[in-house]
Amino acid sequence: DTGVSQDPRHKITKRGQNVTFRCDPISEHNRLYWYRQTLGQGPEFLTYFQNEAQLEKSRLLSDRFSAERPKGSFSTLEIQRTEQGDSAMYLCASSLGGVSMNTEAFFGQGTRLTVV
Amino acid sequence: SQKIEQNSEALNIQEGKTATLTCNYTNYSPAYLQWYRQDPGRGPVFLLLIRENEKEKRKERLKVTFDTTLKQSLFHITASQPADSATYLCALTLMDTGRRALTFGSGTRLQVQP
Repeated sequence: DTGVSQDPRHKITKRGQNVTFRCDPISEHNRLYWYRQTLGQGPEFLTYFQNEAQLEKSRLLSDRFSAERPKGSFSTLEIQRTEQGDSAMYLCASSLGGVSMNTEAFFGQGTRLTVV
Repeated sequence: SQKIEQNSEALNIQEGKTATLTCNYTNYSPAYLQWYRQDPGRGPVFLLLIRENEKEKRKERLKVTFDTTLKQSLFHITASQPADSATYLCALTLMDTGRRALTFGSGTRLQVQP
């Protein structure tokens, strides 16, 4: 296993278009997270899955954002009607743990989104 | 309001010296605190995790302290090298909010001069 994989690495889209990103976590990891990061800031939490269940979604997350993790394996993050403010690095991470256990998170290389 | 604060100013030090980075938090009661390294254009990479009942953790040239009374963690890199130049992020797991995801600070950029 080579770690968390994200696709694409870069995406340029016109304002108003929809985009979808994919994340393949480490295969035995039951937890999957999406974060967004802008220049000079730390990663900002978007949403979190335990297996196929989406357990938490940030209140900052617009209705234009949706994420899925069918069958508890890979995950997709879709942004509808993109805006220039959506330009950022979108990071996926996975970890192994039960409800009360916290371990290190393994991050992918991210998808850099530019909305023009 | 809840905040995780890291020094936004870059830290510049000479090779061989000890780098000390600070993470302060307010209005949180974290159960765990983690430190990550991030290089430009890459995802964060895990370095160390320390639990609320641990005062100090070491790994090779790295040392982390966690003072829940001061609400502060210090991250030390001894015998620093130019290859240690990166942004260092602290992250908390907030059990009392029920959130199982990490909440990150904004990071401190470290530059080690040869």
